[in-house]
Amino acid sequence: QTVVTQEPSFSVSPGGTVTLTCGLSSGSVSTTYSPSWYQQIPGQAPRTLIYNTDTRSSGVPHRFSGSILGNKAALTITGAQADDECDYYCALFMESGISMFGGGTKLTVL
Amino acid sequence: QVQLVESGGGVVQPGGSLRLSCAASGFTFRSHAMHWVRQAPGKGLDWVAVIWYDGSNKYYTDSVKGRFTISRDNAKNTLFLQMNSLRAEDTAVYYCARDYGLRRGPIIYWGQGILVTVSS
Repeated sequence: QTVVTQEPSFSVSPGGTVTLTCGLSSGSVSTTYSPSWYQQIPGQAPRTLIYNTDTRSSGVPHRFSGSILGNKAALTITGAQADDECDYYCALFMESGISMFGGGTKLTVL
Repeated sequence: QVQLVESGGGVVQPGGSLRLSCAASGFTFRSHAMHWVRQAPGKGLDWVAVIWYDGSNKYYTDSVKGRFTISRDNAKNTLFLQMNSLRAEDTAVYYCARDYGLRRGPIIYWGQGILVTVSS
């Protein structure tokens, strides 16, 4: 069974840059899978940050960007702020019709 | 603006049934695929099911196949999730979510979620 992989946790200094990745346990992430990124503050509904690899959702600050790096999708936060500290999930929307979320990355800003 | 409002959650005994609804507004409902995503307490997001814009195709995660049924009423702008043979591991907040397009695509908008608790 193929699973979506993410770093369980990551740490970044205020003002720093961090890149979170989203991979597949078997194979490479392709733009065909419409890789997308979601931000979730505990106790709240997820918020869409990036979809279709690199399209920023409405109202999302430009410090968030998406890309493909090697065989993975990537979310880069440039100039991290304290309120960026929360959970980040990637999702892949497969050609089979099935969608999958990664296990999430808990980002700490300190 | 896009609004997705879930209802129908609550406490149900193992083996029981529950039907979730999601009232959609602020967009052309019949032009978008719709998803259900759940999140168990303290856990990550777990994709459950998707239904195409016209209801012609439906896909499910393995753990709910044969127990859950996704459906939609495009005349009433409403999405449903019929959940049967519920198990303790189905306990979660269930989110209704709108797709970018007609069929298979990224989730763009999310509802606030509704809690389903399976417990005796």
